Amino acid sequence: DAGVTQSPTHLIKTRGQHVTLRCSPISGHKSVSWYQQVLGQGPQFIFQYYEKEERGRGNFPDRFSARQFPNYSSELNVNALLLGDSALYLCASSLASLEVSVEQFFGPGTRLTVL
Amino acid sequence: AQRVTQPEKLLSVFKGAPVELKCNYSYSGSPELFWYVQYSRQRLQLLLRHISRESIKGFTADLNKGETSFHLKKPFAQEEDSAMYYCALSGRGTYKYIFGTGTRLKVLA
Repeated sequence: DAGVTQSPTHLIKTRGQHVTLRCSPISGHKSVSWYQQVLGQGPQFIFQYYEKEERGRGNFPDRFSARQFPNYSSELNVNALLLGDSALYLCASSLASLEVSVEQFFGPGTRLTVL
Repeated sequence: AQRVTQPEKLLSVFKGAPVELKCNYSYSGSPELFWYVQYSRQRLQLLLRHISRESIKGFTADLNKGETSFHLKKPFAQEEDSAMYYCALSGRGTYKYIFGTGTRLKVLA
């Protein structure tokens, strides 16, 4: 298993555009979480999905949305991009069901630059 | 408010010296604490979590609810410990993880 995979690796967009980031979890993992990591900061929680349902949401505007597919892969969508959305976007998968204290396995991230 | 504080951005120690990476948290419920590590050019990965009460690569961390701390310790630092370390907080039923800003550990030869 290659671990969590994310695509694309890098992305450059302009203000006002829309972006879709993709994540494939480790085989057997049903939970996917998304994080935003701005340079010099720790990862900031955006969403968690489990069995295609949103289980948690961080303090992000409605321009950020996500979904999880039947094969447990996930997409993060960001509308009306702002300069401040430039960051590394991390996806993490886990075996989480109702148990919170489980290990999260991180992907390599997608570097988004908004010009 | 839920918060994780890592007061040191950079910690430099000599090989063989003891290491302590500080982490303080603020959480109203029953916290679950983790340490994640990112080595150069590698992904973020779990180092240890408080419920396991285990030692990984010589590192230990004890949850002190009175001081709301979860400091990471190792008695003798090795050069391969050089990495970025993040303390993270979650809580049963919240499904939300909060990371600190991270501490870069540099172990000098």
